[in-house]
Amino acid sequence: EVQVLESGGGLVQPGNSLKLSCATSGFTFSTAWMYWYRQFPEKRLEWVARIKAKSNNYTTDYTESVKGRFTISRDDSKSSIYLQMNKLREEDTAIYYCASAYYYSGALFDYWGQGVMVTVSS
Amino acid sequence: DVVMTQTPPSLSVAIGQSVSISCKSSQSLVASDKNTHLNWLLQSPGRSPKRLIYHVSKLGSGVPGRFSGTGSEKDFTLKISRVEAEDLGIYYCLQGTHLPRTFGGGTKLELK
Repeated sequence: EVQVLESGGGLVQPGNSLKLSCATSGFTFSTAWMYWYRQFPEKRLEWVARIKAKSNNYTTDYTESVKGRFTISRDDSKSSIYLQMNKLREEDTAIYYCASAYYYSGALFDYWGQGVMVTVSS
Repeated sequence: DVVMTQTPPSLSVAIGQSVSISCKSSQSLVASDKNTHLNWLLQSPGRSPKRLIYHVSKLGSGVPGRFSGTGSEKDFTLKISRVEAEDLGIYYCLQGTHLPRTFGGGTKLELK
């Protein structure tokens, strides 16, 4: 059974930092491309960041609004990814979801975690 | 950024009815790998989004056959034949061809 479990959310003041973690199991993590998405209070969904597999040189990509502030990383030995969020702004307030994408037997599998709330407020 | 225009924003349906949701992109979603990276996701009440369909028409693992996806280039449709109660929630299209990946605004499917 595939499991994707985020942690590390909470309340933080503007300008401060927070690090999210995402632990996974049930699939070959090392070949998966991993994502962070977020959902704002009005239900709008936004892609945040992506990190590719080792075979793709662990290439990372970010949405424009978080470039230079957020860093996605992965630890294949722990089947986990992380999102280091610095210089947080009130508009970063959202539920953050971790998601995996990988091919298996010719099909593309995609799993999302249950999400973790991040609130940026003074 | 690619703009994904999803319609209608809401649908009121009876169990057993068939419905369609449209998603139009501002650019072609045909990628250099020749795949069209158009996904459909469902977010049931209180749950995280779950992908139903990828590459326009391929059903995800365990997704019932009453869901189907069609379309090409910039114009896509999700059809649900014979809606069941468990299908209620918010449907989103998501394009993965161009960065940044972008979502449609969502279609809320409710019971009539």
